[in-house]
Amino acid sequence: AQSVTQLDSQVPVFEEAPVELRCNYSSSVSVYLFWYVQYPNQGLQLLLKYLSGSTLVESINGFEAEFNKSQTSFHLRKPSVHISDTAEYFCAVDSGAGSYQLTFGKGTKLSVIP
Amino acid sequence: DAGVTQSPTHLIKTRGQHVTLRCSPISGHKSVSWYQQVLGQGPQFIFQYYEKEERGRGNFPDRFSARQFPNYSSELNVNALLLGDSALYLCASSLEGHINSPLHFGNGTRLTVT
Repeated sequence: AQSVTQLDSQVPVFEEAPVELRCNYSSSVSVYLFWYVQYPNQGLQLLLKYLSGSTLVESINGFEAEFNKSQTSFHLRKPSVHISDTAEYFCAVDSGAGSYQLTFGKGTKLSVIP
Repeated sequence: DAGVTQSPTHLIKTRGQHVTLRCSPISGHKSVSWYQQVLGQGPQFIFQYYEKEERGRGNFPDRFSARQFPNYSSELNVNALLLGDSALYLCASSLEGHINSPLHFGNGTRLTVT
């Protein structure tokens, strides 16, 4: 069975500072990994995903994540955060069949302080 | 184009009652999934449907059921409601129900059981 651990439930960071949101997973099958963002009273939006190929994946708004197989991690990073990045971030792993039966972590609330 | 739409947006029910939640996928999407997000937790997979067939079921009791209609819309039914069923119920759709096509989430239905 798959599981996802997000090590920090809340991360406060000052505007324009760098941030890293940590995610570790366990999976006995092929790994497909995702980061989703959720703004208050909204559904989830895909931030980025790792399916195969390059272990470093990037989003259009400056986030990046690196798949590390040996450490079973998929940490999310951004070199300089904005107020608008304040949201909850969820790491997820596919069941292994590639069928979008996702297992999510408990989430990390990122608060950007002006 | 309209995104994934869910109705109602909010709902209050009493313990023991039954509830039906509705989801309309993005036009052309053949797969619909349901997730339960309890406050403070990550979403948990309930069901996935593809072409009106159940493709996957999460670890939920038989009180939870779903179906997909010929127009690919979907209903989630929960019988004999418990206080613990209070949650945000998210619907998501994708073209083929496979990670090769993006997964889009609706804004959810907030169910409160009193």
